[in-house]
Amino acid sequence: GQQLNQSPQSMFIQEGEDVSMNCTSSSIFNTWLWYKQEPGEGPVLLIALYKAGELTSNGRLTAQFGITRKDSFLNISASIPSDVGIYFCAGQGDSGGSNYKLTFGKGTLLTVNP
Amino acid sequence: DSGVTQTPKHLITATGQRVTLRCSPRSGDLSVYWYQQSLDQGLQFLIQYYNGEERAKGNILERFSAQQFPDLHSELNLSSLELGDSALYFCASSPPQGVYGYTFGSGTRLTVV
Repeated sequence: GQQLNQSPQSMFIQEGEDVSMNCTSSSIFNTWLWYKQEPGEGPVLLIALYKAGELTSNGRLTAQFGITRKDSFLNISASIPSDVGIYFCAGQGDSGGSNYKLTFGKGTLLTVNP
Repeated sequence: DSGVTQTPKHLITATGQRVTLRCSPRSGDLSVYWYQQSLDQGLQFLIQYYNGEERAKGNILERFSAQQFPDLHSELNLSSLELGDSALYFCASSPPQGVYGYTFGSGTRLTVV
């Protein structure tokens, strides 16, 4: 089945530093999404990417949809303590009809030291 | 509040028992997805329902079943529970177009003792 390789598994950074994480896949996805999960909560959608090569920003977050449609990266600039959490990439394939199953990476645990 | 409601938030039960997890999707969303999250496996897709019908099945055990009712709420039934079934179970919903990603609920933490 489809699998996403997300790296790094964890990051420890100082407040103010920039962060970069990425996801690769052996399969093509039509949509890439990045989610953030905080303790005790469900994942929350941060950015959605719909076109190969697309670069999208959401505040200090920037994500790109790889040109091959098999990879994506997420950058966080000038990190702050509330950026702490687990970041997941997810790919959504084109199954037609109403099947929009997401395949998730295993997550990147981000810790920000104030 | 994401608009997706899951109950209960926590559940502790013994091995061999059966439990039911409940999910109410966001208003207007027709699809409901169930995911299992454990430390070593990440978020694993279990099953999807769309407007009352099963649409996709993932790594769902035969001991697990789900359904979506006419009012679009969904229930995930877990039976003959084993210690390894302890995990967070998330429900998510998406609108009919489905291309805008999911909205997740806060999850049910199941502990099997």
